[in-house]
Amino acid sequence: NAGVTQTPKFQVLKTGQSMTLQCAQDMNHEYMSWYRQDPGMGLRLIHYSVGAGITDQGEVPNGYNVSRSTTEDFPLRLLSAAPSQTSVYFCASSYSTLNYGYTFGSGTRLTVV
Amino acid sequence: GENVEQHPSTLSVQEGDSAVIKCTYSDSASNYFPWYKQELGKRPQLIIDIRSNVGEKKDQRIAVTLNKTAKHFSLHITETQPEDSAVYFCAADNFNKFYFGSGTKLNVKP
Repeated sequence: NAGVTQTPKFQVLKTGQSMTLQCAQDMNHEYMSWYRQDPGMGLRLIHYSVGAGITDQGEVPNGYNVSRSTTEDFPLRLLSAAPSQTSVYFCASSYSTLNYGYTFGSGTRLTVV
Repeated sequence: GENVEQHPSTLSVQEGDSAVIKCTYSDSASNYFPWYKQELGKRPQLIIDIRSNVGEKKDQRIAVTLNKTAKHFSLHITETQPEDSAVYFCAADNFNKFYFGSGTKLNVKP
């Protein structure tokens, strides 16, 4: 099992550009989430999904879109990048959030200039 | 949504001492509380968890306690070692998603 795979690992964007962060898991997990990690602020939930075709907003959803067309994939789209979106992004998945913690991907370090 | 507060933000201990990190949560509907360890430049990794029907859980040198009435839970690390140095996060499950504390940077001095 590869676990949770995120690409790319590093990315530099110009303000106003758009891009998609990829996330795939091969553990047949229903629950997937995207978090951003900023210094001193822990991990903040952007969007989450409880299964294919079902997504919902988290704490900080503005400026981001997600879709979940398959159980395996959960891409995060930045619509028009802003410097405030400079962060480390983690994708995570779980069999069930009632009883199991997340498995995290290795993260994407995004810089918006 | 849920609000998880974590203290202290930094903790420095001597090797061999114990370390305690505390978290509180706001929503009594939360029932599952995992703890993660994140080493510098790495992803968070689950180290221990506790469910609401359990008051304490232990795994070798680490233990977690939960007081559901007071809505707080704690991580205890005994006989700390330099490799325990990392950032630790608590989290609470709330309606299919996890809310995280702001993290505690633990420094174990040899």
